[in-house]
Amino acid sequence: DTAVSQTPKYLVTQMGNDKSIKCEQNLGHDTMYWYKQDSKKFLKIMFSYNNKELIINETVPNRFSPKSPDKAHLNLHINSLELGDSAVYFCASSQDWRPGGQYFGPGTRLTVL
Amino acid sequence: DQQVKQNSPSLSVQEGRISILNCDYTNSMFDYFLWYKKYPAEGPTFLISISSIKDKNEDGRFTVFLNKSAKHLSLHIVPSQPGDSAVYFCAAADSNYQLIWGAGTKLIIKP
Repeated sequence: DTAVSQTPKYLVTQMGNDKSIKCEQNLGHDTMYWYKQDSKKFLKIMFSYNNKELIINETVPNRFSPKSPDKAHLNLHINSLELGDSAVYFCASSQDWRPGGQYFGPGTRLTVL
Repeated sequence: DQQVKQNSPSLSVQEGRISILNCDYTNSMFDYFLWYKKYPAEGPTFLISISSIKDKNEDGRFTVFLNKSAKHLSLHIVPSQPGDSAVYFCAAADSNYQLIWGAGTKLIIKP
């Protein structure tokens, strides 16, 4: 059983389009995250979210929005895609903050043409 | 501004020898440091961590050393095995428990 899953694995789209990446975790965790791995390979947190609080990295454009239909899902919506949005996006979840407590999905490689 | 730096993009080590991966940081307020391992087409998986109040943590073949005065930590893998070939990320936790990541070091274990 996959603990944290993401769909799609690859996403190729045109500039200006709106797209979504889905994330599901079956670990019963309370908190979910979205990370972006940029071209320089740095993993940067975009959002962390539990049922009480959304914490947004202030550097994230408001074209990006997380949507959580329930505790097990945190989808990432991106409006008006730009070339610079091309990256690998990782979803993660955790029960609480413990060292190493975050479990990551396999990533979604987004390519904007 | 890169708060966590892994200056070696790649490292090649003979099977059976010691692998040493290095990480430097700039923020003296970091409380926890973690190492993650990542295989291609998979997400990072947690490997080992160390609190800022310790200078060493060991788990099997993996040992992490922390030198706070130098703002440096290292991961030692002894002995190195082919399955250790992966990208290793160093990460540090800030006061909000957000992880700040390095760019990773690709470790290649040669048979």
